[in-house]
Amino acid sequence: DGGITQSPKYLFRKEGQNVTLSCEQNLNHDAMYWYRQDPGQGLRLIYYSQIVNDFQKGDIAEGYSVSREKKESFPLTVTSAQKNPTAFYLCASSTPWGEAFFGQGTRLTVV
Amino acid sequence: GENVEQHPSTLSVQEGDSAVIKCTYSDSASNYFPWYKQELGKRPQLIIDIRSNVGEKKDQRIAVTLNKTAKHFSLHITETQPEDSAVYFCAATISGAGSYQLTFGKGTKLSVIP
Repeated sequence: DGGITQSPKYLFRKEGQNVTLSCEQNLNHDAMYWYRQDPGQGLRLIYYSQIVNDFQKGDIAEGYSVSREKKESFPLTVTSAQKNPTAFYLCASSTPWGEAFFGQGTRLTVV
Repeated sequence: GENVEQHPSTLSVQEGDSAVIKCTYSDSASNYFPWYKQELGKRPQLIIDIRSNVGEKKDQRIAVTLNKTAKHFSLHITETQPEDSAVYFCAATISGAGSYQLTFGKGTKLSVIP
């Protein structure tokens, strides 16, 4: 099922390295989001964007950065400042009334 | 901002029994309440949603109820089956206000015992 695509599915990061997670959608949604999910935890909002060239910090933005140069794309960079980046990362986009569609997720591991 | 509380965090039921998950929200302006199911290692997927202009919505074995006065909403699953085992998330948002930020509950891990 298409709609919103994340890549890669698995990603390994070395200490001190920046990595970028890709998120692309073809649903023509204005709003896009990045969530972090730790084992047994809920969905914590990292960043969100409601329109091209604009984005807002979520609850746990420290150590992360995003860009929104195109409506279809909302990449997330995990910087070396993020001390505990191992987690499952979910990208989502939503309709104007708030129904969210999620990508299949990227599992990031620090090695 | 909006705050969503979800209970219980874990729930075990026998196959065929009913399961109920409850959520409360803090912002009385919230008017859209979706429920998502996340199977292990997979993406959350919408299973049912409700808007503030209705009190109940059903879809086969799944139903959601909303009490706007008390600011709580619940997911009801009847005749549970092993494939219902998953983590369920509730969420709340102010739909149509130009800000679509969903606030999620922390999730409920449902285990259906055959």
